[in-house]
Amino acid sequence: GPKVLQIPSHQIIDMGQMVTLNCDPVSNHLYFYWYKQILGQQMEFLVNFYNGKVMEKSKLFKDQFSVERPDGSYFTLKIQPTALEDSAVYFCASSLLNANTEVFFGKGTRLTVV
Amino acid sequence: GEKVEQHESTLSVREGDSAVINCTYTDTASSYFPWYKQEAGKSLHFVIDIRSNVDRKQSQRLIVLLDKKAKRFSLHITATQPEDSAIYFCAAPSSNTNKVVFGTGTRLQVLP
Repeated sequence: GPKVLQIPSHQIIDMGQMVTLNCDPVSNHLYFYWYKQILGQQMEFLVNFYNGKVMEKSKLFKDQFSVERPDGSYFTLKIQPTALEDSAVYFCASSLLNANTEVFFGKGTRLTVV
Repeated sequence: GEKVEQHESTLSVREGDSAVINCTYTDTASSYFPWYKQEAGKSLHFVIDIRSNVDRKQSQRLIVLLDKKAKRFSLHITATQPEDSAIYFCAAPSSNTNKVVFGTGTRLQVLP
């Protein structure tokens, strides 16, 4: 079936450094999302993105976070600078239409900030 | 906005028995209710969904029931097997914002 690819699967980074998480969404999908999960617990919505713009972001989407998808390439989540509490698994997702259609999730990027 | 409550945080059943996980939601306009499975250390895996135009859907050993009046939906896993052990998340879209809201997850353990 359709797949969302996330690169890398694991990333270890020093606190204060910048990190970019990459997501290759399903090719014809129009809506993109990032979620954060700590220790296999709650899936927390971070942000959604459509037509080149952030549509909605949660309070977890701090000022240090940004997303973009330049010219149909990777949909990226950038954290600059990173903090210890940013350690989590970040899941990218995409859907053809809005969230009332099936949302496909990637395998996640495990980010460890040391 | 939408709030999704998942009532069982953990659930243990004997292999071969049925497991039931219950969720409630608040957004009356929600029309799509997916369930996801997450095995230890792995990603989310879509298992089944139900739309608001029906109240029951079955896919092999999985049954989803939807009670729109009570704003409740449930996942029934029949004839459980050890490989059903995982965390199961219910979810619902928020109708006035474009995001999927997840329940807190149910850790299902199927005991031999």
